[in-house]
Amino acid sequence: GQNIDQPTEMTATEGAIVQINCTYQTSGFNGLFWYQQHAGEAPTFLSYNVLDGLEEKGRFSSFLSRSKGYSYLLLKELQMKDSASYLCAVSPTSGTYKYIFGTGTRLKVLA
Amino acid sequence: GAGVSQTPSNKVTEKGKYVELRCDPISGHTALYWYRQSLGQGPEFLIYFQGTGAADDSGLPNDRFFAVRPEGSVSTLKIQRTERGDSAMYLCASSSVSGSTDTQYFGPGTRLTVL
Repeated sequence: GQNIDQPTEMTATEGAIVQINCTYQTSGFNGLFWYQQHAGEAPTFLSYNVLDGLEEKGRFSSFLSRSKGYSYLLLKELQMKDSASYLCAVSPTSGTYKYIFGTGTRLKVLA
Repeated sequence: GAGVSQTPSNKVTEKGKYVELRCDPISGHTALYWYRQSLGQGPEFLIYFQGTGAADDSGLPNDRFFAVRPEGSVSTLKIQRTERGDSAMYLCASSSVSGSTDTQYFGPGTRLTVL
């Protein structure tokens, strides 16, 4: 089957660094995506990894290890507005491009 | 440019009624997806269109759910004989599908409540 695991909740302090982990077991692999979702709103694209290694985008970085079925999203210099759910999604097969999503990690940033 | 739009933003209906949810993708995006998201969960795939045809409808939960995209742009998700368990946020996404891992961009969703 297809399985994506993420921690349910995390708490961090404003200005700190937080790492949100994601492990996956899927029938295939065509890329891993991270989305940010504020309560009641649509997911917003953050990052995409298809090759092993680190992708950096400003305060956000995402890492992938395909051999370990593992990714993390790193958020630096946390701001209150970063309080949201962070969704890990895998595109498992070619030919159809649906994503398999994890349940999301709810991040609370405290002052 | 304009993003994915969905209407209505909220829909309240009674058990047994029929509902239609509309999605207008980003202009030029040939791929369109419907997902359903329950509270505290990640989005679950329902159906994927490439152009006018449903390339993958494996996520539709039963035959009460149906979706169309007659001109390869706007799509409508139709739910017959709604049940309370259908209450969820229905998200639409589109992508340009120039390669196998094009990013999907989501609309604001339609929150469906079945009383």
